[in-house]
Amino acid sequence: EAGVAQSPRYKIIEKRQSVAFWCNPISGHATLYWYQQILGQGPKLLIQFQNNGVVDDSQLPKDRFSAERLKGVDSTLKIQPAKLEDSAVYLCASSLAGGEAFFGQGTRLTVV
Amino acid sequence: AQKVTQAQTEISVVEKEDVTLDCVYETRDTTYYLFWYKQPPSGELVFLIRRNSFDEQNEISGRYSWNFQKSTSSFNFTITASQVVDSAVYFCALSMDSNYQLIWGAGTKLIIKP
Repeated sequence: EAGVAQSPRYKIIEKRQSVAFWCNPISGHATLYWYQQILGQGPKLLIQFQNNGVVDDSQLPKDRFSAERLKGVDSTLKIQPAKLEDSAVYLCASSLAGGEAFFGQGTRLTVV
Repeated sequence: AQKVTQAQTEISVVEKEDVTLDCVYETRDTTYYLFWYKQPPSGELVFLIRRNSFDEQNEISGRYSWNFQKSTSSFNFTITASQVVDSAVYFCALSMDSNYQLIWGAGTKLIIKP
């Protein structure tokens, strides 16, 4: 069974530029999460989807971050414009309802 | 409010020693789930175990064991006869039945020296 796929693995951008991350969850997993993990900290939930609907985006900085999950499968997370403090690893995870979350390898973003 | 505390920031032991990682959680819900994840240097979070609040039986999986005690709100993780490959950051997490979102501890960095 294929795992959660994320791309790109690494991205370096200048502040004020925009960037997008892509996630393909495990087939059949209705729940999809985007997390931000700053170095030395635990993951912080940015947004949770159930199929193509948003369950919780209370911690998503909506002035600069956006996410979508068209057709309830793949998802993209966008940052526009990026700030230095957005430097982090962005993790995508998927799960069956109530089950354990399976994580992708993440995208390491560096904003300079 | 829900919260997970991993008081040990970093633990360093010599290979073959036993090591216990502590996890204390807070919740007022009666139905909840507790998790442990491993994050090796490669960065991917690897699921280790999920335990629901109604099952206090301890679990053993090879060299790994977990001790769930509701009386002390703890879900500790023990590695027996540690190996260098066990070196990683280990996260404890909590989720409630209502939304299944994970609330994470800050993680414990485990260093196993050869």
